[in-house]
Amino acid sequence: GAVVSQHPSWVICKSGTSVKIECRSLDFQATTMFWYRQFPKQSLMLMATSNEGSKATYEQGVEKDKFLINHASLTLSTLTVTSAHPEDSSFYICSAAGAFFNSPLHFGNGTRLTVT
Amino acid sequence: GQQVMQIPQYQHVQEGEDFTTYCNSSTTLSNIQWYKQRPGGHPVFLIQLVKSGEVKKQKRLTFQFGEAKKNSSLHITATQTTDVGTYFCAYNAGNNRKLIWGLGTSLAVNP
Repeated sequence: GAVVSQHPSWVICKSGTSVKIECRSLDFQATTMFWYRQFPKQSLMLMATSNEGSKATYEQGVEKDKFLINHASLTLSTLTVTSAHPEDSSFYICSAAGAFFNSPLHFGNGTRLTVT
Repeated sequence: GQQVMQIPQYQHVQEGEDFTTYCNSSTTLSNIQWYKQRPGGHPVFLIQLVKSGEVKKQKRLTFQFGEAKKNSSLHITATQTTDVGTYFCAYNAGNNRKLIWGLGTSLAVNP
């Protein structure tokens, strides 16, 4: 089946620093990738939709200058949390969509970010 | 806004008991997808339903899509401890491939 690799699995950083999270589709081309944020015991919150070769589409309330998304190729999307603060601590998960409109999403393993 | 209601929010069962989670929408859905997320893990796709009245089975899991395509259910027969996790329903809302997610049902199974 389709595999999505997300790296790193966890990261601890100091307040004010930036953290980059990578999401790769290993065995298929993903023109669209989605970035989610999930707080404990809650559902997934879509942050942005990343389209290869174009600007990401951010959901309402998500700061595009704080959460930088780059989708430079059909197999790689990155999310950079800039000037991280403790309130940015969360579980970030990427997902990639298959070729067809109703194709299910394939998720990365997620990145647990802790900002101290 | 668009949303899909999922109930119950939590369910605690004894191993061997059955479990059902329900997903309800006020509007007709083009499709419904179900995902499972184990504690500490990421969502894993289980199944997609697209036809009115569709029923699909995966071993002990039975998925149904209502005749009106406004509700769906996931039923687990004779739960096992490996069934522990949160089950989410989700659907495509438009042409941008975004999924609208239910809040999930967390299942705990006592051995």
